[in-house]
Order: sequence, then C-alpha cells, then structure tokens
Amino acid sequence: DAGITQSPRYKITETGRQVTLMCHQTWSHSYMFWYRQDLGHGLRLIYYSAAADITDKGEVPDGYVVSRSKTENFPLTLESATRSQTSVYFCASRPGQGGEKLFFGSGTQLSVL
Amino acid sequence: RKEVEQDPGPFNVPEGATVAFNCTYSNSASQSFFWYRQDCRKEPKLLMSVYSSGNEDGRFTAQLNRASQYISLLIRDSKLSDSATYLCVVTLDTGRRALTFGSGTRLQVQP
Repeated sequence: DAGITQSPRYKITETGRQVTLMCHQTWSHSYMFWYRQDLGHGLRLIYYSAAADITDKGEVPDGYVVSRSKTENFPLTLESATRSQTSVYFCASRPGQGGEKLFFGSGTQLSVL
Repeated sequence: RKEVEQDPGPFNVPEGATVAFNCTYSNSASQSFFWYRQDCRKEPKLLMSVYSSGNEDGRFTAQLNRASQYISLLIRDSKLSDSATYLCVVTLDTGRRALTFGSGTRLQVQP
C-alpha cells in the first residue's frame, strides 16, 4: 500500500556500530523529517529535508547523518551508536504546499546496548 | 524552558465525562497550532487543527488564546476509544516547515 514506510521496525545494536534507519514515501512529498521520541521529551526533530539534496539540522542532530539523493528516500544514519540514542525514531513527510499535516511512518524502535 | 509544555497526566476519567487539556507555547511568533493523537507505541496522527476563532469536530473542541499563548482541547462524552496521548503541536511559518511537539498528555477513559 502506498504511504510512508520505515525499516526496520525493531533494531538492536551495540555501542560504536553504524546503523542506518530507512524511510520511504510514495507520495512525492517535498518535505521529510526525522524525529526521535523519548519519555519526558516528546518528539524532537533530528533532521529535515525540504527537497532532494537539501537537508538541514533540527533540534538534536549530533551523532546523526542524513542524505536525500531521491525525493522518496530519507535514510538516517547513526555513525557510531551510543546508548543515549536508544529511542523510537519516526520519519514523517508532507507536501510542499497545502496544509501542515504530517504523515508519519510506523516508527523504528532502536536499542543500543 | 520548553517551547511547548503540557501536563503529562495521566487524566483518568469515567466514560461520558468531559475532560480538557491545556498547552502553553513560548514563542509568540508561532503561527499554526494542532492537536495530534498518539496511541501506545504507534505513530502520531492529526486530530485537528486549532484556529483563532476556535473550532469543533464532533465531540472535540479546540481553542487558541494568543494573548496568553495557550491552546486547549475539550473532549465531551468521553469514550473508551479516546484513551491515548494527546500531543500539542505548534509551528512557525519560517519556511522550515517543521512542527514542534509537546511531550503529550495521557488520557485514560475508564468504564
């Protein structure tokens, strides 16, 4: 079914390893976002992208890298995972024009041991 | 100070009750306001936008008070299915197009 999909759904990794979380949307939305959600903090913006090849930092970008070579994909990479990056990660998208509604993926639950 | 603040709750109410949540925001330049709903361990989903004049969608009423920088959500005739976390969301129309989320208020409707 069309929409926004994230993979993997669950991931366990070890401190120091590189991890990439995938996000794919089929609507050709211009904007894509990565949020992390932790108890007591709500959703915090990590990175966002206004279009292919345009990315910018959000509130908590340290330790993360993003790329957007194609409109439909917006992978998030943890270069060297730390325990503090244990979290639930949500990818979201929305059109460039017309409304503020965000469409979220189902999330990736990441545990860094 | 957080940009968007909410009482985390939980609010435990019986079915049929009326319950209200408030949310305050710190940036007076905030332009757009929303309530999202999040069920346990799932992605947030838009519940309703909040307009300056106030707006209603069935049992849900949202209001905005720009002078005091808060928004509210009123739920009438609570249903068991209303149990969820309600996220207050604001955005600046700076072209960044990113939304800032509150930590959420948890509602538990009891039979």
